[in-house]
Amino acid sequence: SAVISQKPSRDICQRGTSLTIQCQVDSQVTMMFWYRQQPGQSLTLIATANQGSEATYESGFVIDKFPISRPNLTFSTLTVSNMSPEDSSIYLCSVGGRGDYGYTFGSGTRLTVV
Amino acid sequence: GNSVTQMEGPVTLSEEAFLTINCTYTATGYPSLFWYVQYPGEGLQLLLKATKADDKGSNKGFEATYRKETTSFHLEKGSVQVSDSAVYFCALSFQGGSEKLVFGKGTKLTVNP
Repeated sequence: SAVISQKPSRDICQRGTSLTIQCQVDSQVTMMFWYRQQPGQSLTLIATANQGSEATYESGFVIDKFPISRPNLTFSTLTVSNMSPEDSSIYLCSVGGRGDYGYTFGSGTRLTVV
Repeated sequence: GNSVTQMEGPVTLSEEAFLTINCTYTATGYPSLFWYVQYPGEGLQLLLKATKADDKGSNKGFEATYRKETTSFHLEKGSVQVSDSAVYFCALSFQGGSEKLVFGKGTKLTVNP
C-alpha cells in the first residue's frame, strides 16, 4: 500500500491566519481525499482532489475556506483559511487502494487555533 | 444515502476479556467494509477489511465477517490486551478506492490491566 508523508504534524495558530497542510505520496495516485476530525468526533470528508481538475467539495465545505491544490499525482495541499477556534481539529489526507480496496491515511495534522 | 452505525462507546474491558463492537450499514448496492483503528495521538490505520458477502477480515487477533443478510460487520477479539486501547471506526466505500469512505462515529475502547 502507499505511504503518505503529511506535515506539519501539529501547529498552534492565531485566529485569522491560514495554515497549509501538505501530503506527499510515495506512488502516483489518481484521487486524494481530505478529512477533518473534530475533537472526539468521527471523520468527515472535506473534499476529493483529482490531479488536473478542481477539487470536489462536500456539503458544508467551500473552496474559499479550504482551498486545495493537486499539482501532480503524488502531492496535494489543503489550506485552512482565516482560521477560527472552531477549525481546531485533526486534518487527514488519504489515498485509495488499488484492487484491494484499502485506503491509506497520513498521520494527521493536529491544529489548534487560539 | 450510505451510512454506518456503530455501537456507542466508550467501552471499558479488563485484559483478556472478549470484545465485540457492533457495526451495521445502510447502502445502495454492495460496499466494501472496513475497520480502522486510531491509537492515542496517531492517525488512522487499516485494521481489516472485507469486500464481499461472507468474507471474513482478520488481523492482530481481530475478526469481522461481512453479513449481507443483516447488513453488519461486527468487530470481535477473543482476548483483548492493554495495547488494544484505541478508537475503532467502522467504514464503507464503493468502487475500489475511487470513492470516499463513510465512517461510523467511532468507539473508544479502554482495556485495563
